[in-house]
Amino acid sequence: DADVTQTPRNRITKTGKRIMLECSQTKGHDRMYWYRQDPGLGLRLIYYSFDVKDINKGEISDGYSVSRQAQAKFSLSLESAIPNQTALYFCATSDTRASPYGYTFGSGTRLTVV
Amino acid sequence: GENVEQHPSTLSVQEGDSAVIKCTYSDSASNYFPWYKQELGKRPQLIIDIRSNVGEKKDQRIAVTLNKTAKHFSLHITETQPEDSAVYFCAASPSGGSNYKLTFGKGTLLTVNP
Repeated sequence: DADVTQTPRNRITKTGKRIMLECSQTKGHDRMYWYRQDPGLGLRLIYYSFDVKDINKGEISDGYSVSRQAQAKFSLSLESAIPNQTALYFCATSDTRASPYGYTFGSGTRLTVV
Repeated sequence: GENVEQHPSTLSVQEGDSAVIKCTYSDSASNYFPWYKQELGKRPQLIIDIRSNVGEKKDQRIAVTLNKTAKHFSLHITETQPEDSAVYFCAASPSGGSNYKLTFGKGTLLTVNP
């Protein structure tokens, strides 16, 4: 089945380390997003991309960067990880041509910064 | 930017009762309103959505209502079952073009007691 895959599923890293979270999709969707989920704060948008040449900051982009390597791949990097970046990270996709415009979420990456 | 408020943050009901979750939004340009269900340890999944040209939409035991004038929308679950227990998120966005990105509420933890 077409899906959105995130790697790794779980990661523990040390403060100051650079880390990359990866997302790939086989749904053929053009739009991809990175959100983080914190208890009581819901899902907050970090970055989004409408095609390979289009990258946009979300509401909480500080401390993060992204790369859209291909239509199917969208990576999130933490340049120098800090403990308050401990969270559950979700990648999501959507298809401009489709209706409804709901997202399909990946299975998530649980990141712990110690 | 868009701001979505969601209430209540927690809701406990008896099996068979109805549950109502309410959201308000701030951006009058928003015209697409999806609802997501996230079971424990799982990814959020789209359960129902509504567009601004529709006031109500039903799908079996769930329904969503929208009041564009008041900028609020609600999720109604009737005849609740234990498997309805989950976190529910509302979201809002302009429906297309370069402005399409979902802003989520902070979530409602629904517990259905047998």
